[in-house]
Amino acid sequence: DGGITQSPKYLFRKEGQNVTLSCEQNLNHDAMYWYRQDPGQGLRLIYYSQIVNDFQKGDIAEGYSVSREKKESFPLTVTSAQKNPTAFYLCASSLTSGSNEQFFGPGTRLTVL
Amino acid sequence: AQSVAQPEDQVNVAEGNPLTVKCTYSVSGNPYLFWYVQYPNRGLQFLLKYITGDNLVKGSYGFEAEFNKSQTSFHLKKPSALVSDSALYFCAVRDWGSYIPTFGRGTSLIVHP
Repeated sequence: DGGITQSPKYLFRKEGQNVTLSCEQNLNHDAMYWYRQDPGQGLRLIYYSQIVNDFQKGDIAEGYSVSREKKESFPLTVTSAQKNPTAFYLCASSLTSGSNEQFFGPGTRLTVL
Repeated sequence: AQSVAQPEDQVNVAEGNPLTVKCTYSVSGNPYLFWYVQYPNRGLQFLLKYITGDNLVKGSYGFEAEFNKSQTSFHLKKPSALVSDSALYFCAVRDWGSYIPTFGRGTSLIVHP
């Protein structure tokens, strides 16, 4: 099965803790993205990576960090510096050409207790 | 700069009736336009895209969209709505020189039996 997976599906965190969300794809896509989704606000870009070992901040990168050590993997760490981390997080991948659509994972719902 | 607007937060339609979900965009160059659908607590699924060529684009699940350059619109349509079409629909635009799409805020489609 080709696709993009995210784990875990649900994640609970205490305030002050860092957590890492997993994103893996076997589509051989160069580009990967992390979005945050809040009700009524659509998708907001956190980080994106067009190639291994390179990534760029999106619109709301503060309080988040990423790495891209392998083409298949793009984990997102939500740090304690993120003031309001409770949200639905979506990972996506695509071929780098601008005409190509994105493939999305199933999402991780993070709740801060 | 690129932007996209979905002017309706919610669209209600009776099953069997035609549906339209509106999207307008702004880009500095030529647009790549996309529609995605999201079911509750799931990732986004690609429906269709416009790159160039025919203004009427056909996609998955019987959906189609019409590109109108003069009105800078890309409305999603379906001739006969199904209850199972009820979901959140996102329009996205990429300027031909950009790797990163901009998403609309989403439109909730509710199809009544």
